[in-house]
Amino acid sequence: GQNIDQPTEMTATEGAIVQINCTYQTSGFNGLFWYQQHAGEAPTFLSYNVLDGLEEKGRFSSFLSRSKGYSYLLLKELQMKDSASYLCAVFNDYKLSFGAGTTVTVRA
Amino acid sequence: EAQVTQNPRYLITVTGKKLTVTCSQNMNHEYMSWYRQDPGLGLRQIYYSMNVEVTDKGDVPEGYKVSRKEKRNFPLILESPSPNQTSLYFCAIKTTLAGGGYNEQFFGPGTRLTVL
Repeated sequence: GQNIDQPTEMTATEGAIVQINCTYQTSGFNGLFWYQQHAGEAPTFLSYNVLDGLEEKGRFSSFLSRSKGYSYLLLKELQMKDSASYLCAVFNDYKLSFGAGTTVTVRA
Repeated sequence: EAQVTQNPRYLITVTGKKLTVTCSQNMNHEYMSWYRQDPGLGLRQIYYSMNVEVTDKGDVPEGYKVSRKEKRNFPLILESPSPNQTSLYFCAIKTTLAGGGYNEQFFGPGTRLTVL
């Protein structure tokens, strides 16, 4: 079975940094994705990790440790438009399994 | 640019009345997939298709059917909808980001279905 856990909600201040953790126990692993989803909209791709380590892309970074079944998404210099849900997803064979998502609220 | 269209975007129907949600893509991608999204449960995969006439069950296939007669279309069929199928549905394709060297799933705009 697939078990992907992430916190339900996080709140942070504009300009700050927030780290969203994701732990997973899955029957296989071909990569881990992070998606951003604004309310009522489709998820949009943020990052992909298949090897251990940190992937940096502008204000967003994602880290993976396969041995620990752990990933995090780091959002730096938070902006109001970053208020959204952030979805962790594990790709295994041809199936993508998602966590329930973390709702991030950015306050002025 | 990859584009995925879904129709209808919103639908209110009654229990037992067969319905089809269409999904079309414009880039000849082989892989297509359907998800449903429910509060507190996240996105769950219903069915996926590797290519024409090749489909397989995801995590929550009960009550749904799909077909893949041509590459561009992947309709989701609810033969006898029930209230527990009220949800937000997304179709997705797997596409390779330019220079990325890997595949990501690109989602359609979503279909909000209510079954009374």
